[in-house]
Amino acid sequence: RKEVEQDPGPFNVPEGATVAFNCTYSNSASQSFFWYRQDCRKEPKLLMSVYSSGNEDGRFTAQLNRASQYISLLIRDSKLSDSATYLCVVNSPNQAGTALIFGKGTTLSVSS
Amino acid sequence: DGGITQSPKYLFRKEGQNVTLSCEQNLNHDAMYWYRQDPGQGLRLIYYSQIVNDFQKGDIAEGYSVSREKKESFPLTVTSAQKNPTAFYLCASSIIGMDEQFFGPGTRLTVL
Repeated sequence: RKEVEQDPGPFNVPEGATVAFNCTYSNSASQSFFWYRQDCRKEPKLLMSVYSSGNEDGRFTAQLNRASQYISLLIRDSKLSDSATYLCVVNSPNQAGTALIFGKGTTLSVSS
Repeated sequence: DGGITQSPKYLFRKEGQNVTLSCEQNLNHDAMYWYRQDPGQGLRLIYYSQIVNDFQKGDIAEGYSVSREKKESFPLTVTSAQKNPTAFYLCASSIIGMDEQFFGPGTRLTVL
């Protein structure tokens, strides 16, 4: 099983749509979870951390299910500017230091 | 402005040449990282450092070398031993004890 697995997409949605991305991770000892956003040919930028209780930041909601080792990101009222690749990221506590494991990303394209 | 800078943005090299990629941060972060990203792939960890004069190999260290003589700087050398060096190289930093990593703008290396 891959360490962090995401549906690569692409997800093509109209403006205003709600879209959900899912991610599974293999290391049950992972404690930190994130969603990063990466625009084409740019660096990844932290979108939000994911907490066990779930957390919301404006139109974005992240959920974590530790029992199923599953993370989700919900985007409501999609904007054109949301078009990007969304990376699911978890920490790897079995390695020395603070190592992050990145999924390959899910591509979102929002059209008018 | 605090941040991470990488130079150059684009780099071309001939086969058999070593090349050094620069990464500087003024965020006062202790930990620094180098990743490689290939098209359609997740980020893969090359090397990381948690303290000056100390660094550890990541998942794909072969053909690369690093140094950490100053807290602010973590240069990466791509040697001629790296068989497929063409890629997007990303440098990141973080606070020790915090898993969130912040990225520089990246360097695109092309071997001709």
